[in-house]
Amino acid sequence: DTGVSQDPRHKITKRGQNVTFRCDPISEHNRLYWYRQTLGQGPEFLTYFQNEAQLEKSRLLSDRFSAERPKGSFSTLEIQRTEQGDSAMYLCASSLAENTEAFFGQGTRLTVV
Amino acid sequence: GIQVEQSPPDLILQEGANSTLRCNFSDSVNNLQWFHQNPWGQLINLFYIPSGTKQNGRLSATTVATERYSLLYISSSQTTDSGVYFCAVIPTGNQFYFGTGTSLTVIP
Repeated sequence: DTGVSQDPRHKITKRGQNVTFRCDPISEHNRLYWYRQTLGQGPEFLTYFQNEAQLEKSRLLSDRFSAERPKGSFSTLEIQRTEQGDSAMYLCASSLAENTEAFFGQGTRLTVV
Repeated sequence: GIQVEQSPPDLILQEGANSTLRCNFSDSVNNLQWFHQNPWGQLINLFYIPSGTKQNGRLSATTVATERYSLLYISSSQTTDSGVYFCAVIPTGNQFYFGTGTSLTVIP
């Protein structure tokens, strides 16, 4: 296992289109996190999963955003009706359990034109 | 929510110099990690250090949880050390709170 994997690495989309990102965590890691990072800022929390259960969502996660983790393995983050303000780096992380070391993927850079 | 402040915001060093990066946080934490963000945006783990001192090659870190700060030491800096360094903490709950980072530039 080579770490947290995210796909695609880059996505350019037109405003109003839907996009979906995928994250494959480190195997056996129960916790999976999504973060968003804009230029010059630190990453901001979006949501996290414990196995397949989505246990916490940030107020940043508007109703245009939805995340799933079927069967507690990979996760998807979908953004509907994209807006220019959605342009950012979307980062996924996983950890074995609460208060254990978390590892981040390479991120998906979204550009909405 | 918890406040995480990093200093300095920007740092320029000559290759071979040493540096100390600081992270202050406003509440007690259960988890603290230091990351290096490479030019492609990936966060590389440096240390998982909720308390105590750790060393890894030219890098070392110390967290004094009771005084709510952590320090990252970089010795004999190299150009490949350039990038943004983030401190991230988990207080109670389950999400990381990141600082705004220290942007390090090492010049040859």
